[in-house]
Amino acid sequence: AQSVSQHNHHVILSEAASLELGCNYSYGGTVNLFWYVQYPGQHLQLLLKYFSGDPLVKGIKGFEAEFIKSKFSFNLRKPSVQWSDTAEYFCAVAPSTDSNYQLIWGAGTKLIIKP
Amino acid sequence: NAGVTQTPKFRVLKTGQSMTLLCAQDMNHEYMYWYRQDPGMGLRLIHYSVGEGTTAKGEVPDGYNVSRLKKQNFLLGLESAAPSQTSVYFCASSSSGGYSYEQYFGPGTRLTVT
Repeated sequence: AQSVSQHNHHVILSEAASLELGCNYSYGGTVNLFWYVQYPGQHLQLLLKYFSGDPLVKGIKGFEAEFIKSKFSFNLRKPSVQWSDTAEYFCAVAPSTDSNYQLIWGAGTKLIIKP
Repeated sequence: NAGVTQTPKFRVLKTGQSMTLLCAQDMNHEYMYWYRQDPGMGLRLIHYSVGEGTTAKGEVPDGYNVSRLKKQNFLLGLESAAPSQTSVYFCASSSSGGYSYEQYFGPGTRLTVT
């Protein structure tokens, strides 16, 4: 079965530290990739997405992600985190064979930024 | 423009009781989804709809039913609640079936079944 793995369930960083959250998926075909974020008390919202083209994708609030097809990975990065980045981050994958465009979700990573 | 709204925000049920969760979107989206979120498991798709009058099963449909009588509304029903259905339920919608779509989420409903 197709799956998405987020290896870090909890990450604690200090402000200004660099961030990398891992996401790996198990599907051999074409995929579309997403990172969503859920800030405390708020809705899930799209952070960035990849469909094709440049494998380095830039999103909102200084986040970026790199698609490495050979590694089945789509890791999220930010060079310098802020206290306001405290949130839960979800990676999601849409396999191209799914005609109903369903998303397969990772378990999420809770990120806490210490001021 | 409210986006996606969910009613109620919190609910406590006793085992065997029934309830309906309402999801409404004002973006004229065709696709709507119901997910449940459990600790350490991410979001799992319960049911979804690709248009008014249509519904389909997702990954974990057992114990739930849905209806999409109007394009803007997607109802999730629990006929006989069980403690295993204690979860946070999210509704989402998207504009099309193309891969460039983005899912827009509601604020969630926290359900506890005792």
